[in-house]
Amino acid sequence: AQTVTQSQPEMSVQEAETVTLSCTYDTSESDYYLFWYKQPPSRQMILVIRQEAYKQQNATENRFSVNFQKAAKSFSLKISDSQLGDAAMYFCAYRDYGGATNKLIFGTGTLLAVQP
Amino acid sequence: EPEVTQTPSHQVTQMGQEVILRCVPISNHLYFYWYRQILGQKVEFLVSFYNNEISEKSEIFDDQFSVERPDGSNFTLKIRSTKLEDSAMYFCASSEARDKNGLFFGSGTQLSVL
Repeated sequence: AQTVTQSQPEMSVQEAETVTLSCTYDTSESDYYLFWYKQPPSRQMILVIRQEAYKQQNATENRFSVNFQKAAKSFSLKISDSQLGDAAMYFCAYRDYGGATNKLIFGTGTLLAVQP
Repeated sequence: EPEVTQTPSHQVTQMGQEVILRCVPISNHLYFYWYRQILGQKVEFLVSFYNNEISEKSEIFDDQFSVERPDGSNFTLKIRSTKLEDSAMYFCASSEARDKNGLFFGSGTQLSVL
């Protein structure tokens, strides 16, 4: 079964600095999708960025980028120029492509604090 | 921008009572999901629904749980006899297909069982 691991329960970053959140996953599939979701105190789940496993190029969305290492099964999120509004719980998630299941499997989350 | 709508935002019930959580997925989406999150813990999959039937369910989704799409727009989760441990945030989500766009989540229903 697929699993997602986030080894950093909490992280802290200074405003305007850069922070990297780690995620590893385990799967025997070759095609899949990876996502980062943000959950602010309102508890809304907000999609931050996504990556298709067949693409070697790392996804980028404004200040958010990923480092996708398929062989290492690693999918880290880099937040540049951190802002106070980035403070939230961040979840890494995995989704099969074309398999028997299309559910999202979440990691345990990393709580990011942004210091002014 | 289209969004997934959940009602109510908060639900308080007594142990043993039945509750129905309601969701309106995005209109052109075909796959529907329920997840739950106990405070401070990970987001857990409960069930997925496609073509008017359950396509997958987790071990959490036992006989006390059921889902229904009673009309063309609503998607409901029913808990027949609530337990204290059912207290959690319940998220409804939908997706257009098995694609790269991920799931779109509603803002959740906080269920408190007393």
